[in-house]
Amino acid sequence: EDKVVQSPLSLVVHEGDTVTLNCSYEVTNFRSLLWYKQEKKAPTFLFMLTSSGIEKKSGRLSSILDKKELFSILNITATQTGDSAVYLCAVEAAGAGSYQLTFGKGTKLSVIP
Amino acid sequence: NAGVTQTPKFQVLKTGQSMTLQCAQDMNHNSMYWYRQDPGMGLRLIYYSASEGTTDKGEVPNGYNVSRLNKREFSLRLESAAPSQTSVYFCASSFYEGAYEQYFGPGTRLTVT
Repeated sequence: EDKVVQSPLSLVVHEGDTVTLNCSYEVTNFRSLLWYKQEKKAPTFLFMLTSSGIEKKSGRLSSILDKKELFSILNITATQTGDSAVYLCAVEAAGAGSYQLTFGKGTKLSVIP
Repeated sequence: NAGVTQTPKFQVLKTGQSMTLQCAQDMNHNSMYWYRQDPGMGLRLIYYSASEGTTDKGEVPNGYNVSRLNKREFSLRLESAAPSQTSVYFCASSFYEGAYEQYFGPGTRLTVT
């Protein structure tokens, strides 16, 4: 059974702090790993990672994948209150003629002024 | 572009009642998905449609049926609602299945009493 584990489950930081969110996985036939941000409504796409060691960046957010150790991290620098959300990690695996996403339970980030 | 739209936004059902959740996308995507999100459980795939004319079961399909009406629309039906189906339901779409990010609708909050 495919498994995706995120840690920590929740995190409270002050504005300006840097945070690292973790995602480890055990899947058969790995295709890609995706990060989403969910703020009380629909998850919105952040990054897709398919290759080890290549950092993806978008503003203050960055992410990297390690396919050997089976994990990914999401970094947020200089956090702002608008970063408060649940961050979801999902892994895509190729099954019998199909591809499915398995989601972790998410990390709830709270940024306080 | 509206992206992915879902109706209704909220619904309360009594045990045993039936209803259909509607989903439509205007991004010319081929693949569509239905997820449920429960507290502490993350997002779980109910059914998906890799392309028009095909549907397949996901992780938690029991108690649900789906119809891919055309390329734009993918509906989820609860034939006889149960309290265990109280959840937030998200529809998503992607260009193709496999290594393409999924875009999510705003969700339907369903309560079964």
